[in-house]
Amino acid sequence: DAGVTQSPTHLIKTRGQQVTLRCSPKSGHDTVSWYQQALGQGPQFIFQYYEEEERQRGNFPDRFSGHQFPNYSSELNVNALLLGDSALYLCASSLEDRGWANYGYTFGSGTRLTVV
Amino acid sequence: AQSVTQPDIHITVSEGASLELRCNYSYGATPYLFWYVQSPGQGLQLLLKYFSGDTLVQGIKGFEAEFKRSQSSFNLRKPSVHWSDAAEYFCAVGANTGNQFYFGTGTSLTVIP
Repeated sequence: DAGVTQSPTHLIKTRGQQVTLRCSPKSGHDTVSWYQQALGQGPQFIFQYYEEEERQRGNFPDRFSGHQFPNYSSELNVNALLLGDSALYLCASSLEDRGWANYGYTFGSGTRLTVV
Repeated sequence: AQSVTQPDIHITVSEGASLELRCNYSYGATPYLFWYVQSPGQGLQLLLKYFSGDTLVQGIKGFEAEFKRSQSSFNLRKPSVHWSDAAEYFCAVGANTGNQFYFGTGTSLTVIP
């Protein structure tokens, strides 16, 4: 049973460019969350997608956007890249109706984005 | 507002010694608490979680944690550390909406022979 798959593993972009990161959730999961982990920091919540809609959003600018497809996979898009966007981007999937009491989050290994 | 504090940025222990990593949280109700481990270049692996009931919870790899409401703490412990335990450890609290984690800044563990 495959876990959460993220692609690419690493990439380097130039300031001002746009980037798309991809996430395939664990089999059977229908909800995808994205986190940004800057160097030396804990992950910070960007947003969560369920039923192809953004359900909740953290404190990130509109340059960060996403999408969820009918097969539950998801993309994270970042426009007008800044040096400060350099980070590890983590995707986590879960089954929506479980809630915390029936915890079921699975994290991917992340995409390391470097902005130069 | 919910938040998590991990006071120790870096800890070094000898292999075979005991370990305690500190975590303090800020939350109005009964929190959902988690400990994750992250090896270099890897994602997050769940060590253990607390939702309710027994305040001492057991996790994988021989780790345990104790929830102390009076101290707003959820410290992680291991009686005998192995070299393979060297990693970054994150404490997290689950939002009451059930939609996001709030993570601490992490504690980096070094294990010396």
